[in-house]
Amino acid sequence: EVQLVESGGGLVQPGGSLRLSCAASGFTFSSYWMHWVRQAPGKGLVWVSRLNLDGSSTTYADSVKGRFTISRDNAKNTLYLQMNSPRAEDTAVYYCAREGIVGATDYWGQGTLVTVSS
Amino acid sequence: QSALTQPASVSGSPGQSITISCTGTSSDVGGYNYVSWYQQHPGKAPKLMIHDVSNRPSGVSNRFSGSKSGNTASLTISGLQAEDEADYYCSSYTRSRSWVFGGGTKLTVL
Repeated sequence: EVQLVESGGGLVQPGGSLRLSCAASGFTFSSYWMHWVRQAPGKGLVWVSRLNLDGSSTTYADSVKGRFTISRDNAKNTLYLQMNSPRAEDTAVYYCAREGIVGATDYWGQGTLVTVSS
Repeated sequence: QSALTQPASVSGSPGQSITISCTGTSSDVGGYNYVSWYQQHPGKAPKLMIHDVSNRPSGVSNRFSGSKSGNTASLTISGLQAEDEADYYCSSYTRSRSWVFGGGTKLTVL
């Protein structure tokens, strides 16, 4: 069974840092591109970032470019999102998702809540 | 990276059909067939319903169908059922190699 389990969320101060993790199981993690998508409370889905198979190619939404870094450890079957200098508007549930079909994410985790506040 | 445009809400009675539109530009929806649709129930993770404009993943009811014309994609749900009540989001690959979601549509089954 495919499973994606996010962790690392919590309260972080503006300008601080936080690293989210997404543990993958039930599939060959190194064979899939991976994504982070976020959802502010009561709001819609917003795409954040995408990473290729070996971590050498990344894409980011303009809103997080230069502040967030997506990475992966294929030996640990884990996807990461390093959040530096977070802002209040980064407060959201962060989902990791597998791009199981080119152009679509077929499995999603349950999300981890990040709250940016002083 | 402006969000794709979806109606905020649609409604229909059980058994009826509804269509949700998703309007973008030639740089996203109109330029690629990587248009997907997701269903999200409250407090749950999104679920893929349609990929590549009109393809259903295994296990998704054939009451769900997708199409595209120009810069606008559409999701049609036929034979509405109570369990279809949820939020629906479209998504597209873009020319800048990023992805973009629509603002979401709340479907109410009357």
